[in-house]
This record gives sequence, structure tokens and C-alpha cells, in this order.
Amino acid sequence: DGGITQSPKYLFRKEGQNVTLSCEQNLNHDAMYWYRQDPGQGLRLIYYSQIVNDFQKGDIAEGYSVSREKKESFPLTVTSAQKNPTAFYLCASMLGHLSNEQFFGPGTRLTVL
Amino acid sequence: AQSVTQLGSHVSVSEGALVLLRCNYSSSVPPYLFWYVQYPNQGLQLLLKYTSAATLVKGINGFEAEFKKSETSFHLTKPSAHMSDAAEYFCAVRQMNTGFQKLVFGTGTRLLVSP
Repeated sequence: DGGITQSPKYLFRKEGQNVTLSCEQNLNHDAMYWYRQDPGQGLRLIYYSQIVNDFQKGDIAEGYSVSREKKESFPLTVTSAQKNPTAFYLCASMLGHLSNEQFFGPGTRLTVL
Repeated sequence: AQSVTQLGSHVSVSEGALVLLRCNYSSSVPPYLFWYVQYPNQGLQLLLKYTSAATLVKGINGFEAEFKKSETSFHLTKPSAHMSDAAEYFCAVRQMNTGFQKLVFGTGTRLLVSP
């Protein structure tokens, strides 16, 4: 079955540590996105990528980094510079800029201890 | 820039009652609008979308939404609520940036369904 997988589902981090969240899709989609979800704030865009080896900052990119070395993979690193990283992180993909639907992964819940 | 506003962070209905979740949009161009549903600790699933065709859009699980330009609204409705409809619902509008599109989401409405 085609879809988006995110791992791990739950992640715990100590303050000062970098952590990387995995996002993989087998939908052959060109565009991929990372969102952060906090209670009462909806989804906010962190980074997006249209094609391999290209990505752009979203609305809240500070303290995060990404890479897009393969079409199917778009990992997100939460660095120690992110002051409040505890949140639910969602990865999404879309076929291309002419498509109208984003498909979402199941999410990763990150908790900073 | 495009934006959406969802009125009511929580909506409570009884099983079998009408569901009405409100979404108003702001857009300088004809909007593409979406409703997504999220069950606890899961990703988002597309319920329905408006892409400038028919103004009454039917989606999955018996939901529908009507695009009303005069009211800048895209409210989500379902005639009869089921317990399984309890979830969080997000309205979103497409925003185009130099040929690349992104979605701008509302803050969400949690639907509570009581027996």
C-alpha cells in the first residue's frame, strides 16, 4: 500500500540534544512538507521541499533543519536551538504543484524532558 | 495572503443531531478550500475539497460543505452525527507562493458527540 510513514511515533529528548524525525513516502510525490501542531494553534509549516536537493523555510523554521537527498525521504532535525520543541510533528506530501491534495503521515510526538 | 478562521474550538452535539462546523476564509483570489479530520494521535485525512467547481461539495463519511462567496464561508455539515465522528476538524485554504502551493490551516474545532 502506498502511503507516508513517520518514525518513531513517540520520541523523548533531553534538553540540549538534537533529534531527527523520519518521514518516508512511497507515493512518488514530488513535494514534501513538515508541520508542527500545538493545541489550539492548528498546523504551522516548518519546511517544505518541491524536488530533491531543494527545500525552503516555512513559517517557523528557526531551530529546525531538513534534507532532501532522495525523493521519498524528508527527515527533520530538531536542534537544541529550538526553544520549545515539545509538539506533534506531521509530515505530508503532494504529487506536484498542480495537485490539490496533501497526504499526511501518522505523526511523531516529541517530548522534551 | 489567504487565511481561514474556524469559529468555536469545541462543538458538542448529541448522536443523531446535525453537525455544523464553521469556517470563514479570507482570500484575494478565488480560493481552494479543504476540510481535514484528525483522530487522536493520528495524521490528517482529507474529508472534502472545493476547487471552484460545484459550490456544494460532498465528502467522505456523509459530510458536505457549501462554498458561499457572499459570506466568505465554507461550513462543514453532516445531517446526523455518529459517535465515530468525534475528532478534530481543520479547515484550510491553498496559498500559492511563486508557483508553489502550501496550505494555511485554521486552529481546528474539536467535535464531541454524546450518546
